[in-house]
Amino acid sequence: EAGVTQSPTHLIKTRGQQATLRCSPISGHTSVYWYQQALGLGLQFLLWYDEGEERNRGNFPPRFSGRQFPNYSSELNVNALELEDSALYLCASSVGLAGDNEQFFGPGTRLTVL
Amino acid sequence: TQLLEQSPQFLSIQEGENLTVYCNSSSVFSSLQWYRQEPGEGPVLLVTVVTGGEVKKLKRLTFQFGDARKDSSLHITAAQPGDTGLYLCAGPYGGATNKLIFGTGTLLAVQP
Repeated sequence: EAGVTQSPTHLIKTRGQQATLRCSPISGHTSVYWYQQALGLGLQFLLWYDEGEERNRGNFPPRFSGRQFPNYSSELNVNALELEDSALYLCASSVGLAGDNEQFFGPGTRLTVL
Repeated sequence: TQLLEQSPQFLSIQEGENLTVYCNSSSVFSSLQWYRQEPGEGPVLLVTVVTGGEVKKLKRLTFQFGDARKDSSLHITAAQPGDTGLYLCAGPYGGATNKLIFGTGTLLAVQP
C-alpha cells in the first residue's frame, strides 16, 4: 500500500512569490494535516482538513491557506513568501474523525525562499 | 509556550550502549506518540501510549507513559547505528484529538 506522497520534493522561490505544495494521503484516509518544520523551531501544526473542510488551524498568518479535494488530496498555498517561510513542509494523513489520531507522514517538501 | 519538552536535546553514544529519552509536560495528555525521523524523510510513528503507567516494548525500544499522563520516556537497549535519528514525542491538544503538538526533539547519533 502506498504511503503519503508529496510534491515537489524541493521548491525554490523568491521573496514575495507564491508556493503551492501538494499531498496525496494514504488510500482510505480522509484527514490531511500540514506541518512546518523550520530549523530551530521544531514541528509546528499548520492546518487540518477532513472531508473537504478545514477542521483546525495553527498559529500561522492567513497567507498560509489550503484546501482538500474530493479525492482527499490536498494543497497548501503560501502567499507573499518571506525568508522565514523556508522550511520542510510535512503532510500527514489519518483515518479521520472516526478514528484515532495516528498520523502517517509523507517525506516532505523542502521550500527555500531566497 | 512549548507544551512538550524533551531531554536531552542531543545524544551521541557508542554502539551497544543504553539510553533514555524523556518527554515532559505540565499538561495532561489523553495519549502520547513517539516518532523517529531520519534526514530527508518524514517522521515515522513508533508507538502510541494511552493508559497512565502503560509500558510498551518494540524490540529493543521500551516506551512508558507516566501515571499522571504528563510525561513519557523512551529507553533503547544496546543501541545500533540504525537507531540514529530525531526522536519526537507528540500529543493531541487544544481539545481537538487530531491536532498534534510535537516535542522539542532529541537528536540521537549512534557511533559504530
